[in-house]
Amino acid sequence: DVVMTQTPLSLSVTPGQPASIICRSSQSLLHDDGTTYLYWYLQRPGQSPQLLIYEGSSRFSGVPDRFSGSGSGTDFTLKISRVEAGDVGVYYCFQHTHLPYTFGQGTNLEIK
Amino acid sequence: EVQLVQSGAEMKRPGDTVKISCKVSGYSFSDHYLHWVRQAPGKGLEWVGLVDPEDNKKTYAAKFQGRITMTADTSTNTAYMMLSNLRSEDTAVFYCGNVDYWGQGTLVTVSS
Repeated sequence: DVVMTQTPLSLSVTPGQPASIICRSSQSLLHDDGTTYLYWYLQRPGQSPQLLIYEGSSRFSGVPDRFSGSGSGTDFTLKISRVEAGDVGVYYCFQHTHLPYTFGQGTNLEIK
Repeated sequence: EVQLVQSGAEMKRPGDTVKISCKVSGYSFSDHYLHWVRQAPGKGLEWVGLVDPEDNKKTYAAKFQGRITMTADTSTNTAYMMLSNLRSEDTAVFYCGNVDYWGQGTLVTVSS
């Protein structure tokens, strides 16, 4: 199985400051069809996961441009340029290139 | 508007079977795999499996093989997940989704 390793596991950020989360996979996430199926989600407390970034770097509909994704192969980064109070929750990376699909452990973001 | 509406919370005994539904609207049901994800209390997200509504082909995570059945009914745009031989460790919220959008979750509590 592809192991997804997120760092850090927790973040405490002052509003207005940037934040970054790294996700590393144990195998390249480049699919034979040429697409990298690496997604980033935010799960706010008590809610379902919501998609932020798909295919490594494409921002999903309605997601503020404060959020950006980058990376390729096995190394990916989610960046928040200016953290806001509403960004609190757990961030997960998820790969659906290789079966079985797998999530990272999650990164808990809190506001200082 | 894309919506995935799941059935309500379930209370089960060890050894029971639970069946959860996921009614989809707002997109072409047959065009996207329907995934199921599990989240134990206070834990991260775990991919359970998927069903292709177009041909009902399924892929399950190994740990659930033999206990899980996923189906999709294109006449009602509804997917189902059935988990049998429940144990206390199966207590969790189960989410259905198409990787872009997720349902509201269904809490399954297994207790004697």
